Amino acid sequence: GAVVSQHPSWVICKSGTSVKIECRSLDFQATTMFWYRQFPKQSLMLMATSNEGSKATYEQGVEKDKFLINHASLTLSTLTVTSAHPEDSSFYICSASMGETQYFGPGTRLLVL
Amino acid sequence: GEDVEQSLFLSVREGDSSVINCTYTDSSSTYLYWYKQEPGAGLQLLTYIFSNMDMKQDQRLTVLLNKKDKHLSLRIADTQTGDSAIYFCAEIRNTGRRALTFGSGTRLQVQP
Repeated sequence: GAVVSQHPSWVICKSGTSVKIECRSLDFQATTMFWYRQFPKQSLMLMATSNEGSKATYEQGVEKDKFLINHASLTLSTLTVTSAHPEDSSFYICSASMGETQYFGPGTRLLVL
Repeated sequence: GEDVEQSLFLSVREGDSSVINCTYTDSSSTYLYWYKQEPGAGLQLLTYIFSNMDMKQDQRLTVLLNKKDKHLSLRIADTQTGDSAIYFCAEIRNTGRRALTFGSGTRLQVQP
């Protein structure tokens, strides 16, 4: 149990395009999901907290108009990187809460050319 | 301090025990976690401990918690080459949000 999937697992896109990443809890419902970003050889940094049916809460320094988050159902949250630039290239990981525990997806590697 | 601190690197021989240490920041953190990350992968929850416990054992894993010093450790018995990975400790700070704050990660290298 407690499986979280992400799609796609990796994506290469041109600068200026938008990319959507999906995060799904496969066998449980999650009212709260989280989006993290991880640079090479570094720890995870929280980008935003995604709450089902309400607006996401963004961390300081994260542009909400650039990183659009939608949590339309109890099993799906999406992160859209709008007008992507090379500096947005990173490893994006989502997690879903079940009780006191967060379960993580396998991550999405984004490369913006 | 403000950061969850971990040593960056640990090297052990196969069959030995590994001890990974972590100093966290929020004395009111209710749960503390250990996650494992293999190259290019997401995070795998290894274990967690409730703050009113001093120790938790789960097969080869033993977690020790010293609340007074805000120190958390993960001991891996009979370390195997498959245990080579990055290990993150994490806390949920008493900020009203339920997001995890991670340490910098400890890279464990197991020598055959």
